[in-house]
Amino acid sequence: KAGVTQTPRYLIKTRGQQVTLSCSPISGHRSVSWYQQTPGQGLQFLFEYFSETQRNKGNFPGRFSGRQFSNSRSEMNVSTLELGDSALYLCASSWKQGGHEKLFFGSGTQLSVL
Amino acid sequence: QKEVEQDPGPLSVPEGAIVSLNCTYSNSAFQYFMWYRQYSRKGPELLMYTYSSGNKEDGRFTAQVDKSSKYISLFIRDSQPSDSATYLCARYVDTGTASKLTFGTGTRLQVTL
Repeated sequence: KAGVTQTPRYLIKTRGQQVTLSCSPISGHRSVSWYQQTPGQGLQFLFEYFSETQRNKGNFPGRFSGRQFSNSRSEMNVSTLELGDSALYLCASSWKQGGHEKLFFGSGTQLSVL
Repeated sequence: QKEVEQDPGPLSVPEGAIVSLNCTYSNSAFQYFMWYRQYSRKGPELLMYTYSSGNKEDGRFTAQVDKSSKYISLFIRDSQPSDSATYLCARYVDTGTASKLTFGTGTRLQVTL
């Protein structure tokens, strides 16, 4: 099976712009989660989608949004970019086995905001 | 207090050493613990998971949970340079209506020749 695919791998934007990141989950996985990773804060949960519905949301401002399509592919959008949004954005698809979820991560999109 | 706390390191050990990586957690709800390994410029990959009261061994890796002290550990035996990576502990809780996976900040490990 192909793994989780994220595009683009690298992105450079300037303050005030918006950005859209894409994630294709592992075939058959219906849940997609997004995380922000920075050196100081580690992995911070953004949101989770399941069957096109947002199931869970982290503590991020409304500038961060996402959606999931009927084929389980997901996008996240960040509007009005700030310098502090520079981070590695990771997408993970998951499935439940034995009562817990196993997350499989993509390689991420490295976003730099100048 | 953070739900999962982890010493960021870096931790440098010689090849062949036994490595001990540790995390503490603050909540006693029924939960699973997971260890992820992350190489530079890659996403985290799941190494192991344990229940809140169990130990688990997989090859050179052993995951251990000490409920009384709320301490979780990952031991790596006969460490190799290829083990050089950041190791993230994570806590998974499922209340039935919602699930949550919380990560520690990660410990950077360097295994030297």
